[in-house]
Amino acid sequence: QVHLVQSGAEVKKPGASVKVSCKASGYTFTSYDINWVRQAPGQGLEWMGWMNPNGGHTTYAQNFQGRFTMTRNTSINTAYLELSSLRSEDTAVYYCARGPSGGQNYYMDVWGKGTTVTVSS
Amino acid sequence: SSELTQDPAVSVALGQTVRITCQGDSLSSYYASWYQQKPGQAPILVIYDKNNRPSGIPDRFSGSSSGDTASLTITGAQAEDEADYYCNSRDSRGFRLVFGGGTKLTVL
Repeated sequence: QVHLVQSGAEVKKPGASVKVSCKASGYTFTSYDINWVRQAPGQGLEWMGWMNPNGGHTTYAQNFQGRFTMTRNTSINTAYLELSSLRSEDTAVYYCARGPSGGQNYYMDVWGKGTTVTVSS
Repeated sequence: SSELTQDPAVSVALGQTVRITCQGDSLSSYYASWYQQKPGQAPILVIYDKNNRPSGIPDRFSGSSSGDTASLTITGAQAEDEADYYCNSRDSRGFRLVFGGGTKLTVL
């Protein structure tokens, strides 16, 4: 079966950085995009961006340019989302989700269970 | 602000039919996908490419599209369908994705 397994919850102080991982299994990692989606407490889903693991190309949503970095390690089928200069408003659940590379219409068919990042002094 | 607009809340009587809509300019060019999210759980894909269901999604879920509006219809809503539903599609320029604000479905 296809799975995306995310790293565990994190608690960080303001100004710190955190790196969330998303390990893929059950499919060819480089054949599908990895998307990142944020959900603040009690709020809706926000698309943060996607990465094509084949070449590492990334596209960020406008609200997530600057402090957020998507990377991958194809040797271990793992994608990463790094958040820097953390603020209290970054407190959220961060999901990774698989999407089809290319194609006019897009969807995210497999989701990780989410990683809770709490930013608190 | 979201480029895709959804009604914040919708209710349906058990066994009845409910339609959840998603409106946005980009939907004239791109199909929406739909996600169901229950409290404390990750979202799951329920409809993609306008009206395709992933394996395991009941056939009471269907999708449609007309002009700048996409719809998710649940025919014969069940108690377990009570959840938040989100639409997603490319934005108006096509280079990024955007979610609707979500619709909380209550099954009465």
